[in-house]
Amino acid sequence: DTGVSQDPRHKITKRGQNVTFRCDPISEHNRLYWYRQTLGQGPEFLTYFQNEAQLEKSRLLSDRFSAERPKGSFSTLEIQRTEQGDSAMYLCASSLTGPRNAGDTQYFGPGTRLTVL
Amino acid sequence: AQKVTQAQTEISVVEKEDVTLDCVYETRDTTYYLFWYKQPPSGELVFLIRRNSFDEQNEISGRYSWNFQKSTSSFNFTITASQVVDSAVYFCALSESGGGADGLTFGKGTHLIIQP
Repeated sequence: DTGVSQDPRHKITKRGQNVTFRCDPISEHNRLYWYRQTLGQGPEFLTYFQNEAQLEKSRLLSDRFSAERPKGSFSTLEIQRTEQGDSAMYLCASSLTGPRNAGDTQYFGPGTRLTVL
Repeated sequence: AQKVTQAQTEISVVEKEDVTLDCVYETRDTTYYLFWYKQPPSGELVFLIRRNSFDEQNEISGRYSWNFQKSTSSFNFTITASQVVDSAVYFCALSESGGGADGLTFGKGTHLIIQP
């Protein structure tokens, strides 16, 4: 059984370029989450999907960010017109929703470290 | 609004010492969930424990133990007989149950250094 995987692990880009990250959740997990972590801080929630539906977006998710999970399996996070402030670790997590539909244990991937020059 | 505070930015102890990492949370919900994660230098967050607000029993798993006290809104983590491999950043996190909003709210983390 494989865990959550993310690709690429590192991305260096120039300001103004678009970047796309991919996340493959643990198989059969119906929920998928995206977080952003900057140096010295805890992860901050960006958005999550239940199956293919995007159910919540944080205020941190500006219009330049878009996430998809087209078939309820893998997900992509795209950042358009990157800015230096977008430099961070982008973490993906997945979970299997229980009967209470809340408080799932989220399992995290290794992250994609983005550097915007 | 929910909030998690980890007041200890960094703790350094010598191997075999016991160490406690503090976590204080704020929430308006009566049903919520608390978590601890470990982030070693490799960067991947590793799940350690999940606790719901109705279960105040302390938990022990090997050298790890957790003390949940609703009266003080705390969920502290103790490592007994610490080892160098315990060196990492540890995060406490909170999830509220209402409306399916299940993004975790993390504290800023405590960097634990175990010296040989």
